[in-house]
Amino acid sequence: AQTVTQSQPEMSVQEAETVTLSCTYDTSESDYYLFWYKQPPSRQMILVIRQEAYKQQNATENRFSVNFQKAAKSFSLKISDSQLGDAAMYFCAYRYSGGGADGLTFGKGTHLIIQP
Amino acid sequence: GAVVSQHPSWVICKSGTSVKIECRSLDFQATTMFWYRQFPKQSLMLMATSNEGSKATYEQGVEKDKFLINHASLTLSTLTVTSAHPEDSSFYICSARRLANIQYFGAGTRLSVL
Repeated sequence: AQTVTQSQPEMSVQEAETVTLSCTYDTSESDYYLFWYKQPPSRQMILVIRQEAYKQQNATENRFSVNFQKAAKSFSLKISDSQLGDAAMYFCAYRYSGGGADGLTFGKGTHLIIQP
Repeated sequence: GAVVSQHPSWVICKSGTSVKIECRSLDFQATTMFWYRQFPKQSLMLMATSNEGSKATYEQGVEKDKFLINHASLTLSTLTVTSAHPEDSSFYICSARRLANIQYFGAGTRLSVL
């Protein structure tokens, strides 16, 4: 079974600085998707960024980018120019891309604090 | 963007009663929806996959008779917690799959069983 590990329970960064959240995963599959979701205090899950495993190019979405290392099974999230609104729980998630309709496997999350 | 509505947002019930939670995809059809459970300050755990027109697929350890799932239409899935007890108190979140491998989440339902 696949597992997702987020080793940083909490991270703190100064506003306007850059922070990187770590995520590693374990799977025997070669085709899959990886995601970062944000959960603010409202608890609404918001998709931040996604990465297809077959793509070598790292995904980017404005201030958010990933460092996808398939061989190392690592999928870190970099947030540039951190803003107060970025404060939230961040969850790394995995989904097998094969047939079927599998749900997401989540990591335990990283609580991101933005210092003004 | 895709919108998933979940209702109610918060429900309090007495032990032994049943509670129904609705999950609707408002602007798209979803043949597959998912139900997750989140304990305080913990991650989301997949409970079951809801398939339109067929039986739900439950994850290992999830009681089928306790958590009844019905996906009667392409825009609605319901989760019924039967004979709820205090240990069923939790945050329940649904999601709907629209485009390839993108899941859109509802805002969640906080269930408190007294």
